[in-house]
Parts: sequence; C-alpha cells; structure tokens
Amino acid sequence: DTEVTQTPKHLVMGMTNKKSLKCEQHMGHRAMYWYKQKAKKPPELMFVYSYEKLSINESVPSRFSPECPNSSLLNLHLHALQPEDSALYLCASSQAGNSNQPQHFGDGTRLSIL
Amino acid sequence: GQNIDQPTEMTATEGAIVQINCTYQTSGFNGLFWYQQHAGEAPTFLSYNVLDGLEEKGRFSSFLSRSKGYSYLLLKELQMKDSASYLCAAPGGGNKLTFGTGTQLKVEL
Repeated sequence: DTEVTQTPKHLVMGMTNKKSLKCEQHMGHRAMYWYKQKAKKPPELMFVYSYEKLSINESVPSRFSPECPNSSLLNLHLHALQPEDSALYLCASSQAGNSNQPQHFGDGTRLSIL
Repeated sequence: GQNIDQPTEMTATEGAIVQINCTYQTSGFNGLFWYQQHAGEAPTFLSYNVLDGLEEKGRFSSFLSRSKGYSYLLLKELQMKDSASYLCAAPGGGNKLTFGTGTQLKVEL
C-alpha cells in the first residue's frame, strides 16, 4: 500500500470517451505530479502542480487536462485520446520548494485506449 | 538539460553483491535519487545523495562522485525480491525530476 491513492486502477476507454483519473494524498505535500510510463521505460513527467497552481507542463497534448481542486487532490481529465496514449499513469507528491525531498508515488492507473 | 544513463539489464545470483551504475550530465546539480520499481507497482524511494561519498542503508548503499558525474547503487546479500527496475533520477528546478533509462535487475538462484 502507498500513501498516494490513485483511482481507478485500470481503465479501458474508446477514443471518443471522456474520463478522469484521480489522485489523493494526505501527507501535507504541496507539490503533485502526473507521469506517463510505457512498458520497460522510465516515468516521463507530464505536469507539476505547486501550491495548487500548474507550474510545469511538459508540452503535453491538450487532450490531457490536469486539475488540482485542493491541496490533497489531483485529477487528470482525458478526452479524445489516441491508442498511443495507452500507458501507466502515475501520480506523485512531495514537499514543494525543496528539490532534495523524495517524491511519493501512487500505484498508477493502467489505461488502455481502444 | 539532463542526460542520465544506466545499463538496461543486469543479472545476479541470490546472496551476491551487485553494483548498478548511473552516469549523468545535468545543467546544475541538485543531488541524485535512486528509486526501486517492481513490475506493476509504484516507484519507491531508496536513497538521495548530494555530497560525495557512500550512504549506507541496510543492504542498500548509494555512492556519488560529483566531479565524475557518477553514482552507483550497491545491493548486498541479494534476495529474489530484489528483482525489479532501479531508476536513477536527477532533480531540476521547480521540483522537476528526470529519470534515467532504468536498470532491470534479475536475481537468480
């Protein structure tokens, strides 16, 4: 079990569907992250939120839309995804402002696009 | 930018010692992390080095040489459960973390 909770664990959706991935942490962390991970590859950073504001967008296509409703929650809204978007999506959190603080990861949502 | 290299795969025997190397080139240096990731699971934090030298944590140790842009993770008394991917990662500005390619370690009997 991890301290960062992601739901759902698995998601299958068509290219025209709209769905959302959810992430929650109660460690008081003020930095939260979305990563995409393909099989046998390292996680690739998508978005960083710091104090509930988007601070980094790694040129992610607009069909991925992040949202940080409060300091404990992070969502990733999905719309019109492509088959190549099938991957493991990881959420992480850490203390903000200190690069020496480790990130804590959730178990991820395994997404399949039909 | 950040450039981080690791061997893709390694195989070692149960009970043995294995060293997983990581070389990095970063614009600015803010330390180096090691994470472990079992298949289908979350990456978990193992160690953080910002000063030169060896940091020991039980069976796992991590070494850093800033002048050489080099780090390694040393695993002693290998167990089957140590079979996993080991990721070297460098933090950048804005809490950004860049991962190396990852080393898939297989521990055999």
